[in-house]
Amino acid sequence: KAGVTQTPRYLIKTRGQQVTLSCSPISGHRSVSWYQQTPGQGLQFLFEYFSETQRNKGNFPGRFSGRQFSNSRSEMNVSTLELGDSALYLCASSAGDRGTSYEQYFGPGTRLTVT
Amino acid sequence: GQSLEQPSEVTAVEGAIVQINCTYQTSGFYGLSWYQQHDGGAPTFLSYNALDGLEETGRFSSFLSRSDSYGYLLLQELQMKDSASYFCAVNLGSARQLTFGSGTQLTVLP
Repeated sequence: KAGVTQTPRYLIKTRGQQVTLSCSPISGHRSVSWYQQTPGQGLQFLFEYFSETQRNKGNFPGRFSGRQFSNSRSEMNVSTLELGDSALYLCASSAGDRGTSYEQYFGPGTRLTVT
Repeated sequence: GQSLEQPSEVTAVEGAIVQINCTYQTSGFYGLSWYQQHDGGAPTFLSYNALDGLEETGRFSSFLSRSDSYGYLLLQELQMKDSASYFCAVNLGSARQLTFGSGTQLTVLP
């Protein structure tokens, strides 16, 4: 079974620009979660989608948004980029049931650098 | 809110046993997970405890005490490849999301 894939793997953007990151979950997984990882803040939850609906949202500004498609693929968008948005963005998929959400499968991440 | 505390760094030698502790404060607790992340890699799931007690998976074991809001990951027969960051995470059942601790950097020395 193929793992979680994320594209692109690396991205350099300028302050004020916007960016879209893509994630394809493991086949059959309906839940996709997004995390931001930085050296100072660790792994922070952004949001989770299940069957095209956002079920949970972390404490991030509205510049961070996402969506999920009918095939469970997900995208996240960051508008008006700030230097502090430089981070590794990780996508994780799981079956989505309450009993399985503890076991998430992570993709390799997208390394975003904002200059 | 939720908070998890774990040591920032642990160092041990090959063949030794190391324990990484995690204490948490959270409401709606459903279980405690452990993840491993090598430098430049993605976090990978190691273990999960929903009930009190010890769960063993090969060289790795995880323990949970719900009454003490405490858990630990035990790594036995350490190998160089175990050098990585280890994260505890609480599973908030109603929210179906994971909240991660800040991670423990384990260094295994020869």
